[in-house]
This record gives sequence, C-alpha cells and structure tokens, in this order.
Amino acid sequence: AQSVTQLGSHVSVSEGALVLLRCNYSSSVPPYLFWYVQYPNQGLQLLLKYTSAATLVKGINGFEAEFKKSETSFHLTKPSAHMSDAAEYFCAVSNQAGTALIFGKGTTLSVSS
Amino acid sequence: ETGVTQTPRHLVMGMTNKKSLKCEQHLGHNAMYWYKQSAKKPLELMFVYSLEERVENNSVPSRFSPECPNSSHLFLHLHTLQPEDSALYLCASSQDRPTGGNTEAFFGQGTRLTVV
Repeated sequence: AQSVTQLGSHVSVSEGALVLLRCNYSSSVPPYLFWYVQYPNQGLQLLLKYTSAATLVKGINGFEAEFKKSETSFHLTKPSAHMSDAAEYFCAVSNQAGTALIFGKGTTLSVSS
Repeated sequence: ETGVTQTPRHLVMGMTNKKSLKCEQHLGHNAMYWYKQSAKKPLELMFVYSLEERVENNSVPSRFSPECPNSSHLFLHLHTLQPEDSALYLCASSQDRPTGGNTEAFFGQGTRLTVV
C-alpha cells in the first residue's frame, strides 16, 4: 500500500537559512508525489509534484524537491527561508488505484527573524 | 468566484442536529473529494466522486452522507454526530479521473466543524 512518512512534526529555522523538510514514501508502483502547503485557516495549496519527468522538481515560492528512488525520498528544500514560509507542509502520494492522494502527518515550519 | 468554495466556513452543531456542508468548484473538474483533517492526524480521505458517481467510500460511518448532484457541487450531510467528529472538513476537486495519478487536487478552505 502507498504511504508517506514525514520526519519531524516541527522544524524551526531562521530567516535566510536553508529549509529542509523530509518525506519518505512507500509505494508498490512508480509513485506520483506531491508537496502541499497549508496556511492557518486555509485549505491546501500545491507547491510541486513529481510525475517521473524529472527527478528535480521546481515549485512555487522558490521551493524544490528531489526524487531519489534509491532512498525512497522526496525531500522539500528552499535555499533561503522567508517569514512568509511559516506554515504546515504536507507530503502526499497517489494511492495505488490512482483515485486519491494519501497524505503524511504534516510538518509545521516556523521561521524566526 | 474561482477555485473551490466551501460553505459554511465554521459550523457548531449539537449531536442531535442535522446539517450539510457544501462545496462548489469553478474549475471545470469532474472529480471531487471530501477529506477530514483532525488535530495531529494525517488528512483522511472520506469520499471520492468521479463524474458524479461515488468511486470510493473510505469506511466512513453512515452518519456522514455525501451527495454529488452534478460535477460542480458536492455536499456532506451530517446527522447524529459525535464530539470526536469535530475537525476541519476539506473539499477538493481534480480533472480527469480522480487524481489520475499525476493530477493534483485543488482544495477549498475547509469547514471547521465543532460538535457539542
């Protein structure tokens, strides 16, 4: 069965520092992987998605993620954190039937000045 | 209006009440979903509709009853809920087959439900 595990429920960085949010997946078929962001009292917004076209995926707001099959990972990075990046981030994988997304528990990113 | 709109944004209901959550998408999508987001738990998929047909029911209690009258509207009818049903209920839509593997879902802002 497909699943994702997000390591670290809370990550704190300083403004301007590197952001690294970790996601490992488990999939019995080639996976489709996604990162979403949720701001307080909002729905989820797509940051980027991996669909096997390229292992390094660039998304919105300066975020990118690299698909590493050997490590079953899809970590999210941003070179320089901004205060506005503070939010909750979710990694997701398509379920085997391709009928819906399966989400991780989320990682809350805090950015301090 | 654009995107996925959910109403109401907040709802407080008693355990004996009946209420409905509404979702409307203006993206021309043909698949819609209900997710439940509880504190400290992953998002839980509840229901999936494709072309107005329910294609997935993720072992959801019968006190939650979905309705999809057309490809733009999705409802979640609630009755005799329990306090543990308090959560953020998120609606989403996508194009083509539900998620289609590589098709992303677009989410509404959610309805914050409190059962008292």
